[in-house]
Amino acid sequence: EDQVTQSPEALRLQEGESSSLNCSYTVSGLRGLFWYRQDPGKGPEFLFTLYSAGEEKEKERLKATLTKKESFLHITAPKPEDSATYLCAVRLIKAAGNKLTFGGGTRVLVKP
Amino acid sequence: EAGVAQSPRYKIIEKRQSVAFWCNPISGHATLYWYQQILGQGPKLLIQFQNNGVVDDSQLPKDRFSAERLKGVDSTLKIQPAKLEDSAVYLCASSSLAGAHYEQYFGPGTRLTVT
Repeated sequence: EDQVTQSPEALRLQEGESSSLNCSYTVSGLRGLFWYRQDPGKGPEFLFTLYSAGEEKEKERLKATLTKKESFLHITAPKPEDSATYLCAVRLIKAAGNKLTFGGGTRVLVKP
Repeated sequence: EAGVAQSPRYKIIEKRQSVAFWCNPISGHATLYWYQQILGQGPKLLIQFQNNGVVDDSQLPKDRFSAERLKGVDSTLKIQPAKLEDSAVYLCASSSLAGAHYEQYFGPGTRLTVT
């Protein structure tokens, strides 16, 4: 069965304290891995798409990397405004259309 | 560019009642998705439309949920009758082209509480 697991479930950081979020997947045929940010009361906001092992993408203090079995979202010197839930999702070769299968998310709280 | 619009933002109903949610996707986006997000979990796809047609509704509880997308633009998701376990946020998303590597853009969601 295809599975997407995110860890940790929750992360509390001090401002400036860098850390990494993990998204591991056991799927057959990955077409793409997506990272989204979700603020309370809002829909997920697209951050990155990664397609192949070794690929990296950056946006401000965020950097996403991909291996054959997992992806990491690195947060460098986080600020309080980086507090949010970070979701990863996979798109499978066998999936109909553009279906995304999401992990459970990591809730990040950055304290000043 | 205007984002995905959803209404209502909040809805409280009693079990066994019916409810409907409305979604207007980003202009020009052919593909529209409905997701269910239970508190503390990631979104789960309920149904995907490509223009007017259904691409994937494998996880839609068809005995109580229905959805339609008339004229390939707006969409409505209905629950009848609602159960307590339907309490969740219902998210609508759209993308410009299915089958290609285009990201999905989400609306703010409708928070449903079934009492």
